[in-house]
Amino acid sequence: DIQMTQSPSTLSASVGDRVTITCRASQSISSWLAWYQQKPEKAPKLLIYEASSLENGVPSRFSGSGSGTEFTLTISSLQPDDFATYYCQQYNSYPLTFGGGTKVEI
Amino acid sequence: EVQLVESGGGLVQPGGSLRLSCAASGFTFSIYWMSWVRQAPGKGLEWVANIKQDGSEKYYVDSVKGRFTISRDNAKNSLYLQMNSLRAEDTAVYYCARKGTAGRYSDYWGQGTQVTVSS
Repeated sequence: DIQMTQSPSTLSASVGDRVTITCRASQSISSWLAWYQQKPEKAPKLLIYEASSLENGVPSRFSGSGSGTEFTLTISSLQPDDFATYYCQQYNSYPLTFGGGTKVEI
Repeated sequence: EVQLVESGGGLVQPGGSLRLSCAASGFTFSIYWMSWVRQAPGKGLEWVANIKQDGSEKYYVDSVKGRFTISRDNAKNSLYLQMNSLRAEDTAVYYCARKGTAGRYSDYWGQGTQVTVSS
């Protein structure tokens, strides 16, 4: 199974900050990586797929990069609505696996 | 508008069974792979199972193989998860999700249904 490791697990930031979250895969997954945002008691929401493709309707302050085993999610200017938990997911091979999550808090 | 609405969750004793349903609307259900993903209390996301458009291919996480069965009824625009031999560690919110058009990620998710396994 491919293990996905996110860092940090918690991130304290302020409105307007540039935020970067890292996701590492235990083996190469090419660009088969997605990022999701989840708010408390809500379903996850797709932000990025194929490592860097922005899902329709997602603000352009979100961006993704990387390939192989190292990936990043960047929020260029943190907004109040962005305080949430973020998960990466590899979909290179079964079983599909998620990172442990990164909680972005004030 | 794409909508996925799960139902069938509840409290069940260890060793018991439960069948989850997901009603899909707002898109052509029969042309999409579908998934179940779960989230234990206070924990992260865990993929559970995927099913191909016609039901001919199914994939499961190892921890549920032999106990859970994913299925679908395209005529009813519905996805199912039959869960047998339930364990305490199966306690979670179960989400139904649609596979994206460009890969095995999930582009739409339901609101989830709570499954609690406890005596």
